Amino acid sequence: SQQGEEDPQALSIQEGENATMNCSYKTSINNLQWYRQNSGRGLVHLILIRSNEREKHSGRLRVTLDTSKKSSSLLITASRAADTASYFCATLSTLGRLYFGRGTQLTVWP
Amino acid sequence: DAGVIQSPRHEVTEMGQEVTLRCKPISGHNSLFWYRQTMMRGLELLIYFNNNVPIDDSGMPEDRFSAKMPNASFSTLKIQPSEPRDSAVYFCASSSPGHSYEQYFGPGTRLTVT
Repeated sequence: SQQGEEDPQALSIQEGENATMNCSYKTSINNLQWYRQNSGRGLVHLILIRSNEREKHSGRLRVTLDTSKKSSSLLITASRAADTASYFCATLSTLGRLYFGRGTQLTVWP
Repeated sequence: DAGVIQSPRHEVTEMGQEVTLRCKPISGHNSLFWYRQTMMRGLELLIYFNNNVPIDDSGMPEDRFSAKMPNASFSTLKIQPSEPRDSAVYFCASSSPGHSYEQYFGPGTRLTVT
């Protein structure tokens, strides 16, 4: 399967702590994207990392990509209750199709 | 831009009825995707179009499902006849190569078939 697989399935932390989510995939990719979904809403694009990049930052988000291990991680620093959501990784195939994983449910307690 | 627009937001119907979901992609985007999301199966790609042409419909569950894209600004997903197991949230998303295929999702249609 080309789907990304997130790990863990669920993560529960306190406000102020860092949250790390991992994603593994099986085939070659053009880029890898992370999305967020609040309850009852559509997915929202967070950050994209290209296959020739190793790390990328955006505000409190840090994404890493290791193409040799076919894995990526999303780090959210200094988490807030408002970060509570599901987070999905998605890999882009050569045909322009995104393959989504099943997501990590993050809960941040105030 | 208003983003991806979907209608209706909620649909409750009886088993056996026809259901039509509608989507307006972001202007200028040439790819459109229909997804279904349930607790059991997660986010599933049903079908996607490039330049109004269906590229991959392997995710369409069965012949009861059909999708059309008559022009670049409109697409429909039809279920006929509907069944209780079709109950889910259906998302439409659009993208373009100019944005590295980042997908923009609509708010979804929550379908309940009783």
